[in-house]
Amino acid sequence: GAGVSQSPSNKVTEKGKDVELRCDPISGHTALYWYRQSLGQGLEFLIYFQGNSAPDKSGLPSDRFSAERTGGSVSTLTIQRTQQEDSAVYLCASSLDGGTGGRETQYFGPGTRLLVL
Amino acid sequence: AQTVTQSQPEMSVQEAETVTLSCTYDTSESDYYLFWYKQPPSRQMILVIRQEAYKQQNATENRFSVNFQKAAKSFSLKISDSQLGDAAMYFCAYRSVYADGLTFGKGTHLIIQP
Repeated sequence: GAGVSQSPSNKVTEKGKDVELRCDPISGHTALYWYRQSLGQGLEFLIYFQGNSAPDKSGLPSDRFSAERTGGSVSTLTIQRTQQEDSAVYLCASSLDGGTGGRETQYFGPGTRLLVL
Repeated sequence: AQTVTQSQPEMSVQEAETVTLSCTYDTSESDYYLFWYKQPPSRQMILVIRQEAYKQQNATENRFSVNFQKAAKSFSLKISDSQLGDAAMYFCAYRSVYADGLTFGKGTHLIIQP
């Protein structure tokens, strides 16, 4: 597609359930990023993939959060045993290349709004 | 760790007027990248403009321009000839050359009065 796509657009779940959020980056973009946007914390960087590899997972809020990327394309962010504080908008972004140069611009998807009841 | 501060939670401007959004940041690095993103109610974060710290010349994109003051660690966004479609949340973001993710400010809600 032309841009980053995310699904679902909205997700309502019950506390304690697991959820999977999907991100499909711009074709050809090797770098992929996940962010969380909440009223209390603003925009937080969660994790970065270069290809299928995520060298640093320290930004994930807890061990209930995990992310994977297969085939260098689609990524899934999984939240296990969801809590009410997990309610937020989860944004995905991609860029042509990540690396440490920082030159590449990140293009964002429309996000998934997660509500945990 | 770097921090980004947007001191104006909300700004209002008349259509066709000019408005400036403020952003300051704290870093000990000399090379980095700065961005302004726009987020309308659709939630999609849209890149407005970017600036490389090693460039002295201020970036411009049509009606959008920045005033980058490296010594003062200031990166303000000027929107000229404001249009109704400019109404959105505007986020200032910093990217270190040594890190992967962006560090965002809290955002400024821009209201355009017709």
